[in-house]
Amino acid sequence: KAGVTQTPRYLIKTRGQQVTLSCSPISGHRSVSWYQQTPGQGLQFLFEYFSETQRNKGNFPGRFSGRQFSNSRSEMNVSTLELGDSALYLCASSLDSVTSVGYTFGSGTRLTVV
Amino acid sequence: AQKITQTQPGMFVQEKEAVTLDCTYDTSDPSYGLFWYKQPSSGEMIFLIYQGSYDQQNATEGRYSLNFQKARKSANLVISASQLGDSAMYFCAMREGGTGRRALTFGSGTRLQVQP
Repeated sequence: KAGVTQTPRYLIKTRGQQVTLSCSPISGHRSVSWYQQTPGQGLQFLFEYFSETQRNKGNFPGRFSGRQFSNSRSEMNVSTLELGDSALYLCASSLDSVTSVGYTFGSGTRLTVV
Repeated sequence: AQKITQTQPGMFVQEKEAVTLDCTYDTSDPSYGLFWYKQPSSGEMIFLIYQGSYDQQNATEGRYSLNFQKARKSANLVISASQLGDSAMYFCAMREGGTGRRALTFGSGTRLQVQP
């Protein structure tokens, strides 16, 4: 079965612009989480969506937002980009059942802000 | 307070030898899960192994095993018979609680290099 698909793979944006990243989870997975990975801060949780609702949110400013569609695909948006937003953004999908332990990650979107 | 600690920034191992990557964690939640992920240079996080806090036995998945010592709050990954393809970053992660809290907290990672 198809894995988690993140698009685009690479992005270069200018400070002050906004960007939208997309994540298509594994078919049947209803939970989508987003993580930011930087050399300085490591991997940090951004937010999690389940059934089109944001269920958990990490400690990021309001410039970071997301949404989930009825087909479970998710997008995250970063407005007013800053140089420090340059990072690998990873999306993970899961079944979200009590016994589910599997998180499947995509290959990520590498965002460079110049 | 840091919840996941990986004290080895980098490790070298000879091909075909075993290697242990250290991970300690901190939580007051009696229900938690511990994960190990591999991240090659391509960026994708590859799930390796999972240990639940109530699991009685240490988890094993092929060449990967997790040395879970609950009292010491450690969850070390053991890779047996290392292969060149094992060279990558390895992350230990924890999820606390049940289905209400599904965020993973990651350690800083260990870069493993397998030498021929």
